Amino acid sequence: DTGVSQDPRHKITKRGQNVTFRCDPISEHNRLYWYRQTLGQGPEFLTYFQNEAQLEKSRLLSDRFSAERPKGSFSTLEIQRTEQGDSAMYLCASSLGAGGDQPQHFGDGTRLSIL
Amino acid sequence: QKEVEQNSGPLSVPEGAIASLNCTYSDRGSQSFFWYRQYSGKSPELIMFIYSNGDKEDGRFTAQLNKASQYVSLLIRDSQPSDSATYLCAVSLNTDKLIFGTGTRLQVFP
Repeated sequence: DTGVSQDPRHKITKRGQNVTFRCDPISEHNRLYWYRQTLGQGPEFLTYFQNEAQLEKSRLLSDRFSAERPKGSFSTLEIQRTEQGDSAMYLCASSLGAGGDQPQHFGDGTRLSIL
Repeated sequence: QKEVEQNSGPLSVPEGAIASLNCTYSDRGSQSFFWYRQYSGKSPELIMFIYSNGDKEDGRFTAQLNKASQYVSLLIRDSQPSDSATYLCAVSLNTDKLIFGTGTRLQVFP
């Protein structure tokens, strides 16, 4: 399977703990995006990378959130001191580049539940 | 006003009928428009994208874009029960992040 891969698929943790998610984009895709989706809502943009450079961060991304893409391949999203409101599906997407004809393809997501 | 608006539905259509899903957006600078299908508990799956005014057809799906009216739609011909899902409209301002609507739930009944 050469699609976007996310790990883990599910994460249950206690409030206050730190969690880290991993995303492996489609091979050769230089753009990687993180979104968050809660029940009944569309995905909300968090941040994106072009290669290893983080080009934009949403206001939703508080200082408890950090994302990296150290070698321009896989990316990690870390949430420190988790809160109840962090419970959501965290989606990763990748695209070959910018442009209307370079759509984003999503992974299966990581569902985070905060106890 | 939300940036991307969709009727949440559900939109119920009989099998074999045409389903029409609509989306409006507020920013006239929007350049690219996408339709994703999302089954319950799954991630969004790209159906189509369009960035020029007019129609774009792909199999049973047709996307329609009217930038003057800030309106984009998705038509599904010969609807099947397997088309039952939530359809997400997304727009991109400068070909970077996507801004999604809340989605329209489509139900196709036999």
